[in-house]
Amino acid sequence: GAVVSQHPSWVICKSGTSVKIECRSLDFQATTMFWYRQFPKQSLMLMATSNEGSKATYEQGVEKDKFLINHASLTLSTLTVTSAHPEDSSFYICSARDHTEYYEQYFGPGTRLTVT
Amino acid sequence: GQNIDQPTEMTATEGAIVQINCTYQTSGFNGLFWYQQHAGEAPTFLSYNVLDGLEEKGRFSSFLSRSKGYSYLLLKELQMKDSASYLCAGMDSNYQLIWGAGTKLIIKP
Repeated sequence: GAVVSQHPSWVICKSGTSVKIECRSLDFQATTMFWYRQFPKQSLMLMATSNEGSKATYEQGVEKDKFLINHASLTLSTLTVTSAHPEDSSFYICSARDHTEYYEQYFGPGTRLTVT
Repeated sequence: GQNIDQPTEMTATEGAIVQINCTYQTSGFNGLFWYQQHAGEAPTFLSYNVLDGLEEKGRFSSFLSRSKGYSYLLLKELQMKDSASYLCAGMDSNYQLIWGAGTKLIIKP
């Protein structure tokens, strides 16, 4: 149980375009989902926390107009990178917390974004 | 402020034992996590400690001392597949994870 999927697993896009990444909890309801970014050889950086049905809470330094997060249901959250630039190239990972558990986060497999 | 400290890199020999230390400072405390992350992959859960003491799970054990703000991950009978980064994360009073930078573990034959 407790499986989180992400789609796509990798994407290459041109500078200036937008990319949407989906995060789904497959066998549990996730009231809270987290979006992380990880640059090579660095640790996870929390970008934002999203709760189902409400606006996401963004970490300091993360542009909410550039990284649009929607958590429309208990099993789906999306991250849209708008007007992507090469510096947005990174590994984006989502995690989800089961509404019955307050401590464990289940991670998706990650999405490798390359902006050319 | 909140902070997690762990060594950047460690090297160990196949078959040996290695201990990865982590010290933490969080606003409130709801537990200490260890995750394993292979290059290019997402983290996978290893252990969770919220009470003092040692939790053993196969070849991996995790220890917590809340009074010292200290934890360690102990890996026994090291295998080449254990080469990975090991992330320590503390959970604060808001149930948010505060992540360490990770310890890259290199296993040599």
